[in-house]
Amino acid sequence: AQSVTQLGSHVSVSEGALVLLRCNYSSSVPPYLFWYVQYPNQGLQLLLKYTTGATLVKGINGFEAEFKKSETSFHLTKPSAHMSDAAEYFCAVSGINDYKLSFGAGTTVTVRA
Amino acid sequence: DVKVTQSSRYLVKRTGEKVFLECVQDMDHENMFWYRQDPGLGLRLIYFSYDVKMKEKGDIPEGYSVSREKKERFSLILESASTNQTSMYLCASSPSEIAGRTGELFFGEGSRLTVL
Repeated sequence: AQSVTQLGSHVSVSEGALVLLRCNYSSSVPPYLFWYVQYPNQGLQLLLKYTTGATLVKGINGFEAEFKKSETSFHLTKPSAHMSDAAEYFCAVSGINDYKLSFGAGTTVTVRA
Repeated sequence: DVKVTQSSRYLVKRTGEKVFLECVQDMDHENMFWYRQDPGLGLRLIYFSYDVKMKEKGDIPEGYSVSREKKERFSLILESASTNQTSMYLCASSPSEIAGRTGELFFGEGSRLTVL
């Protein structure tokens, strides 16, 4: 079975500062890894995903994540936070031939002016 | 524009009532999912369906059932609502590639259910 752990339920950053959200996964097979974002009163939307190939993945809104197999990690970063980045972020994992995604508990990001 | 529509954004029900949550997608997706979202627990899969009339239990199916009579519609049923089923319910769909291959789950805006 696959699972993810998101370190830190809340992250507060200043506008213009680095955003770093941590995600570690557990998987018995090569994982597929994802980050989703949920803005207030909305459903989730895909930020980026890693399946195979390049380990540095770029997503929407300036976010990127790096798959590190040796560390079983898939941390999400953005060099410069914007007020519009305030949202809840979810890391998710699935195995090959797996219909479902298993989600982490989520990290809420607040951005200070 | 792709769309997953959940019929009710907010519902208030009483303990013991039967509750129907409806979800419709207009993308001709084979796979549909019901997740439950609770603070500090993230999203937990209740049921999913990979074809009409097909369903599989997710991680927390107890107290729930589902129905998929048409490809575009996936219903979640609470036979006898209880207070511990107060939560946000999210419906999602994905195309025929196995979800893990694409990761592209398309979510509805959610249905917030309160059981008194």
